[in-house]
Amino acid sequence: NAGVTQTPKFQVLKTGQSMTLQCAQDMNHNSMYWYRQDPGMGLRLIYYSASEGTTDKGEVPNGYNVSRLNKREFSLRLESAAPSQTSVYFCASRRMGTNEKLFFGSGTQLSVL
Amino acid sequence: GESVGLHLPTLSVQEGDNSIINCAYSNSASDYFIWYKQESGKGPQFIIDIRSNMDKRQGQRVTVLLNKTVKHLSLQIAATQPGDSAVYFCAERPDSSYKLIFGSGTRLLVRP
Repeated sequence: NAGVTQTPKFQVLKTGQSMTLQCAQDMNHNSMYWYRQDPGMGLRLIYYSASEGTTDKGEVPNGYNVSRLNKREFSLRLESAAPSQTSVYFCASRRMGTNEKLFFGSGTQLSVL
Repeated sequence: GESVGLHLPTLSVQEGDNSIINCAYSNSASDYFIWYKQESGKGPQFIIDIRSNMDKRQGQRVTVLLNKTVKHLSLQIAATQPGDSAVYFCAERPDSSYKLIFGSGTRLLVRP
């Protein structure tokens, strides 16, 4: 049981390049999330998927798109990377139920030059 | 607006002492609170949670206290160990939805 797996762990992009961050969970969770974490700050929600087939914007969705490929996988895409998107990105998942805690992956450190 | 903040950005404690990490929240409608621990280079790990109908909850060496009157949350760690060194985040759920609002974190340093 690997939990939440994110790839890649590190990535460097040039401004304007595109890339997709991958996330998969093997806990049969219904909901999945993408957060970003900037130095000295808490986590901010980018997008989430309450269940397979649905996605919704979080607090900071601009510049990102997501795809809930199936129940296991939730990807985050940067179409045209900007330096302001330099951050650490975390994927998380949650079982159905209002008080169920989030399980996080180990993060992707992204630098946009 | 909604916000979750912490009183102390860095807390340094002696190994073996008890640690108390504080958190203020602003939304009186929040019904669920959670503490996460984040070690360097890793994702946040769940420590303990508490619902708004409780004022105290205990885990293994950790206790969370909730004071809804002053909108204050605290995490107590008993007999702090070097492995407790990390950044600790509190988070609140302001409504019945999925969303968690995270604070900016407190770094706990454990002196040997």
